[in-house]
Amino acid sequence: GENVEQHPSTLSVQEGDSAVIKCTYSDSASNYFPWYKQELGKGPQLIIDIRSNVGEKKDQRIAVTLNKTAKHFSLHITETQPEDSAVYFCAASKGGSQGNLIFGKGTKLSVKP
Amino acid sequence: DAMVIQNPRYQVTQFGKPVTLSCSQTLNHNVMYWYQQKSSQAPKLLFHYYDKDFNNEADTPDNFQSRRPNTSFCFLDIRSPGLGDAAMYLCATSRSGTAGTEAFFGQGTRLTVV
Repeated sequence: GENVEQHPSTLSVQEGDSAVIKCTYSDSASNYFPWYKQELGKGPQLIIDIRSNVGEKKDQRIAVTLNKTAKHFSLHITETQPEDSAVYFCAASKGGSQGNLIFGKGTKLSVKP
Repeated sequence: DAMVIQNPRYQVTQFGKPVTLSCSQTLNHNVMYWYQQKSSQAPKLLFHYYDKDFNNEADTPDNFQSRRPNTSFCFLDIRSPGLGDAAMYLCATSRSGTAGTEAFFGQGTRLTVV
């Protein structure tokens, strides 16, 4: 089955700096890679996603890159703000009845003012 | 507007006393999931419904059961909660396809076992 590795487990940056979180996956059939942000006591919220036919996607300060050959994808947050502080999860999925989201272990991002 | 609604947000139950958590959705998605999330860990899939078909994860304890009476509602039943079952329980929905699709999560139910 699919296995998703996520690094680092914790990340502390200064406000205004960039943050990068990396994930690798094992199942070459995976074709959908979302990133979720989870604030304390709340459910995960999708912030950006990418499909296997695309190499990069950007939405304002957030971008995701995908390298299918190497089976890894990364989240980039530029100009970080204190409200970006949260736990971020990457995930991988291949669709179909058994293609459920498999999550990485999460990265706790702290943005210091 | 809330699209995946979980009730209650907080649930306290006694050791061994059956408890039911509920989830409803307004998205008309055909897939509904239940995840267990313990402190500082990733969500762990317990089971999911693909339309009416129930799919149990291999390592989900028999203590956990689920019901989906219609498209909009799904329930998680814990028959005899133990202290180790204290966790956040997350319901999610998605629309199935040949490729992966976005899963929408509810706000979760925090279960405490006393």
